[in-house]
Amino acid sequence: GAVVSQHPSRVICKSGTSVKIECRSLDFQATTMFWYRQFPKQSLMLMATSNEGSKATYEQGVEKDKFLINHASLTLSTLTVTSAHPEDSSFYICSAGRGTQYFGPGTRLLVL
Amino acid sequence: RKEVEQDPGPFNVPEGATVAFNCTYSNSASQSFFWYRQDCRKEPKLLMSVYSSGNEDGRFTAQLNRASQYISLLIRDSKLSDSATYLCVVNRNAGNMLTFGGGTRLMVKP
Repeated sequence: GAVVSQHPSRVICKSGTSVKIECRSLDFQATTMFWYRQFPKQSLMLMATSNEGSKATYEQGVEKDKFLINHASLTLSTLTVTSAHPEDSSFYICSAGRGTQYFGPGTRLLVL
Repeated sequence: RKEVEQDPGPFNVPEGATVAFNCTYSNSASQSFFWYRQDCRKEPKLLMSVYSSGNEDGRFTAQLNRASQYISLLIRDSKLSDSATYLCVVNRNAGNMLTFGGGTRLMVKP
């Protein structure tokens, strides 16, 4: 079946630094990938749609300059959290798929 | 009103019990419906798609009522390993953007 990977699985950083998270589709090409965020005891919230070869589409309330998305190839999308602050600490998950969406294992970000 | 609403639970049931979860969605244009399972601190995993005619996969039965914008999941003969959060998921449009319900937590006890 479809497999989506994410790297890193866990990251701890200091406030003000930038963190890059990678999402890869391992056995299929994905022109579109999705980035979600999940805070403790809450459900997943869509942050943005990553489009291969064009600009990402951001959900209302998500700052595009804060969360930079690059989808340079059909198997890789990256999310960079710029100038991270403690309130950005969350579980970031990507998904991809044709029809049915498969989720990466997630990246747990802790900003100190 | 949330786009997808679920009772958060928790539902505490003994092994072998039958348990049902319900979900309502607000966007009548939604085309695809799913139940995902999420274990603690893990990513969601697809449990099953939901079809208008209703569908069954082993101990799991899903039903959709488009007129009432209502989705259900029935789990028979609950196992300890069924303990998880069950997410009702609806696609937002004809594409693959998904909207998640808040999840219903199930705890199956010996």
